[in-house]
Amino acid sequence: NAGVTQTPKFRVLKTGQSMTLLCAQDMNHEYMYWYRQDPGMGLRLIHYSVGEGTTAKGEVPDGYNVSRLKKQNFLLGLESAAPSQTSVYFCASSSLAQETQYFGPGTRLLVL
Amino acid sequence: KNQVEQSPQSLIILEGKNCTLQCNYTVSPFSNLRWYKQDTGRGPVSLTIMTFSENTKSNGRYTATLDADTKQSSLHITASQLSDSASYICVVSRHDSNYQLIWGAGTKLIIKP
Repeated sequence: NAGVTQTPKFRVLKTGQSMTLLCAQDMNHEYMYWYRQDPGMGLRLIHYSVGEGTTAKGEVPDGYNVSRLKKQNFLLGLESAAPSQTSVYFCASSSLAQETQYFGPGTRLLVL
Repeated sequence: KNQVEQSPQSLIILEGKNCTLQCNYTVSPFSNLRWYKQDTGRGPVSLTIMTFSENTKSNGRYTATLDADTKQSSLHITASQLSDSASYICVVSRHDSNYQLIWGAGTKLIIKP
């Protein structure tokens, strides 16, 4: 099992550009999450999904959109990137809400 | 305000020594407390998860304790190895929100040979 995978691993964007980050899991988990991690801070939840076709806002959703068209995939979109979105983005999944979350390797995003 | 505070921010110890990392939280209502290990450039990996009724939980050389009355937790690492160099993150889950985890900023541990 590959677990949770993320693509791309690293990306540089110019302000105003758009991009999509892809997360895939092969553990048949219902719940999927997108986090961002900034230096000196704890992980912050951007959006999450409790099942195929459902999404919900987390702690810091502004500037991001998500879609969960297939159970195994969770996409994070940036419509118009801003320098404040420079961060490391992690995707995670879990079988139940209170169970252990399994994380992907992360995507490093630099917005110039 | 729901918060998770960890100390120290960073710690350097010699290989083979033991160490203890601290976590204080003000999250309420409490559901469970988790410790994650995050290697540099990697995603967090779960070490332990403890509910209200659990005082101690071990995972190999890692032992987590929980005092729900004082809202404190510790992670004890025994006979440290170079591979233990990482950030250790304390995470608390609220009982009234299935999806909100309150993440600490982590303790960066460096093991020197």
